Amino acid sequence: QSVLTQPPSASGTPGQRVTISCSGSSSNIGNNIINWYQQLPGTAPKLLIYSNNQRPSGVPDRFSGSKSGASASLAISGLQSEDEADYYCAAWGDSLNGRVFGGGTKLTVL
Amino acid sequence: QVQLVQSGSELKKPGASVKVSCKASGYTFTNYAMNWVRQAPGQGLEWMGWINTNTGTPMYAQGFTGRFVFSVDTSVSTTYLQISSLKAEDTAVYYCARDRFKLDYWGQGSLVTVSS
Repeated sequence: QSVLTQPPSASGTPGQRVTISCSGSSSNIGNNIINWYQQLPGTAPKLLIYSNNQRPSGVPDRFSGSKSGASASLAISGLQSEDEADYYCAAWGDSLNGRVFGGGTKLTVL
Repeated sequence: QVQLVQSGSELKKPGASVKVSCKASGYTFTNYAMNWVRQAPGQGLEWMGWINTNTGTPMYAQGFTGRFVFSVDTSVSTTYLQISSLKAEDTAVYYCARDRFKLDYWGQGSLVTVSS
């Protein structure tokens, strides 16, 4: 049971906009920044969004992040087949004094 | 360019120990902490803890105390994860990841399989 709650799956067709939610509490997302990671099949995770809504160099602007209170969202616009991956949210958990991950969302491009 | 290169796959018997390495290059090693993350087969990411590469001080997440040890050798820019008294449920891919408020670079992962 992950501390941060994500839907296990999401899907969309090429060109569509998809959002993935991440729900936490005041002791994690509500009080700390959130980061998102993308894990393509068979590869290591990669930083996708940091500090709630910042994109590292090289990440397309089709990916965006937002946070409101104890929840956050990752949006992917102009969906492409290569976006098919697992997506994880993560934040610092004050009560645990450590990082906490969401359970991950498997995105399927139909 | 920043690189984290981990040691290869390991097959161990229950009760044995294993030591996974993570060699960093392309940046000042002691300026960043190093985290360890576990991913069991078909499962999500699980944060194991981190080590201050400057002082060598480790911090372990709940569930990763006792049998898990993080260490560092600054002379070769390498951090280590040692797991003792291995159990079947330790079978997983173990990742190291550089840390400064975000895990911005990850190693390729080291598969540890525990089987008799």
